[in-house]
Amino acid sequence: EPEVTQTPSHQVTQMGQEVILRCVPISNHLYFYWYRQILGQKVEFLVSFYNNEISEKSEIFDDQFSVERPDGSNFTLKIRSTKLEDSAMYFCASRSTGATEAFFGQGTRLTVV
Amino acid sequence: SQELEQSPQSLIVQEGKNLTINCTSSKTLYGLYWYKQKYGEGLIFLMMLQKGGEEKSHEKITAKLDEKKQQSSLHITASQPSHAGIYLCGAAYQGAQKLVFGQGTRLTINP
Repeated sequence: EPEVTQTPSHQVTQMGQEVILRCVPISNHLYFYWYRQILGQKVEFLVSFYNNEISEKSEIFDDQFSVERPDGSNFTLKIRSTKLEDSAMYFCASRSTGATEAFFGQGTRLTVV
Repeated sequence: SQELEQSPQSLIVQEGKNLTINCTSSKTLYGLYWYKQKYGEGLIFLMMLQKGGEEKSHEKITAKLDEKKQQSSLHITASQPSHAGIYLCGAAYQGAQKLVFGQGTRLTINP
């Protein structure tokens, strides 16, 4: 069964460092999303991406964040200068055109120390 | 107040018992999704409801959408240990791409 794949599963980084979280969406999907979940809190929307551009973003998604689809299969989330409060589980999701169901990856747990 | 309220926040039931989790939106729903999450893991899609009065089932899990109340309920019949986890509802609203999630219901099944 096709699935959304995220790497790494766990990343530890020092405050101020840049991190790139990687996602491989399901191959025929065209809508991509990043969400995050701070431990013990709700899953929060960060950004949606379609046709090589951001279609919607939340207040959380400030200038420190960026997304890219570098090669037609990967979808990345970059955090330029990580802060302690960026520690969270980050989920990638994808959806096909016309479908209502979004498939989520297993998540990347980011720990900023 | 929250856009999407889930209740209860946690639930402990004995194996074999039935249970219900509710999700209420403060705005008109375009669609309502139910996901299950094991602690620290990804979200597993259970089902999606879009039309008022719609009811869907997957194995022993049934979800309904009450359009009038903008509320969905998730019902598990004859609960099993495999049902344990965190159940999340996610709302889709007209004109928005994103899902807004409830705070989750942590379900524990006691043998």
